Amino acid sequence: GAGVSQSPSNKVTEKGKDVELRCDPISGHTALYWYRQRLGQGLEFLIYFQGNSAPDKSGLPSDRFSAERTGESVSTLTIQRTQQEDSAVYLCASSRFVGRAGELFFGEGSRLTVL
Amino acid sequence: EDKVVQSPLSLVVHEGDTVTLNCSYEVTNFRSLLWYKQEKKAPTFLFMLTSSGIEKKSGRLSSILDKKELFSILNITATQTGDSAIYLCAVAPGGNQFYFGTGTSLTVIP
Repeated sequence: GAGVSQSPSNKVTEKGKDVELRCDPISGHTALYWYRQRLGQGLEFLIYFQGNSAPDKSGLPSDRFSAERTGESVSTLTIQRTQQEDSAVYLCASSRFVGRAGELFFGEGSRLTVL
Repeated sequence: EDKVVQSPLSLVVHEGDTVTLNCSYEVTNFRSLLWYKQEKKAPTFLFMLTSSGIEKKSGRLSSILDKKELFSILNITATQTGDSAIYLCAVAPGGNQFYFGTGTSLTVIP
């Protein structure tokens, strides 16, 4: 597609429920990143995918968080048993260049509110 | 530990003022430094800097990198209300990671 697409744009859920966030990267971009941004905070790295290599999961805050990506296409970020501290904007970004100085292209984000 | 520090955290100026935003970094390796503007949700790309001393310019915005002193500045001249946003700095070290600072929140008052 023309840009990085994320859905849903807004999600309100009750504590304890599972949520799934979707990211459709720019076609041809081999690298895909998930970031979390809490209100008034910077971007917190969660997970990174590159092609068919094993993902870098070093930023996932707990085992309630997981993500998948099929090849170089859509990725889903799943948060199980949501907690109020999970409330944030979840940003997805993709990049064409891996191992080179390329820039990230961001989606509009999914705003998650856990009541 | 790799880190990126931005200053000031927030800034309020009047239209027409010139502002300078700072980004300092400590990374094991260095590939590039990137500046983004975040108005609502999606950060939008402004500049990528890889070499010291070479100014990147786009309209009223400009940026320069000092790899010896490990910092970059983003200048905005003749500020407008549309410049109000969070400005994010990110450093790409060796590998595929990007480290972001907490951002500088700029508010331009008419």
